[in-house]
Amino acid sequence: DIQMTQSPSSLSASIGDRVTITCQASQDISYFLNWYQQKPGKAPKLLIYDASNLEAGVPSRFSGSGSGTDFTFTISSLQPEDIASYYCQQYGSLLPITFGPGTKVDIK
Amino acid sequence: EVQLVESGGGLGQPGGSLRLSCAASGFSFGNYWMSWVRQAPGKGLEWVANMNQDGSEKYYVDSVKGRFTISRDNAKNSLYLQMNSLRAEDTAVYYCARTQSYSSRFEYWGQGTLVTVSS
Repeated sequence: DIQMTQSPSSLSASIGDRVTITCQASQDISYFLNWYQQKPGKAPKLLIYDASNLEAGVPSRFSGSGSGTDFTFTISSLQPEDIASYYCQQYGSLLPITFGPGTKVDIK
Repeated sequence: EVQLVESGGGLGQPGGSLRLSCAASGFSFGNYWMSWVRQAPGKGLEWVANMNQDGSEKYYVDSVKGRFTISRDNAKNSLYLQMNSLRAEDTAVYYCARTQSYSSRFEYWGQGTLVTVSS
């Protein structure tokens, strides 16, 4: 199975700050990496697919980059409504699909 | 508007069974792969199972193989998860999700249904 790691596990930032989360795969997954936002008590929401493509309707302050084993998710200017946990997910040709352990983002 | 609404969660006995349902609307259900993803309390996300449009392909995470069965009824726009031989570690919120293929992104999610396995 492909293992996913994320760092940090949690972070506190101020409104307007640039926030960066990293995700690492245990083997090369090309660009087969998605990012989700999950607010407390709610279902996850797809934000970024195929490493860098913004899902329709998602604000442009969210972005993703990377390929191979190392990926980055960025919020360019943190907003109060961005308080949530963020998960990466790989979907290589071999199952199982696996998620990172998540990063909890809150306001400093 | 795409909507996925899960039901059927509740308290299950260890070794017992539960059947989850997911009612889909707002899209052509029969044209899409569908998945179940779960989240144990306070934990991360875990893909459980998925199946293709006509049910001819089904895939499971190893921890549920032989115990859980995914199925669908395209005439009723519904997805199901039959959960047998329940274990305490199956306790989680179960989400149904629309996906593009056997291994892809989860485009839309339901609100989830909580399954608690306890005696």
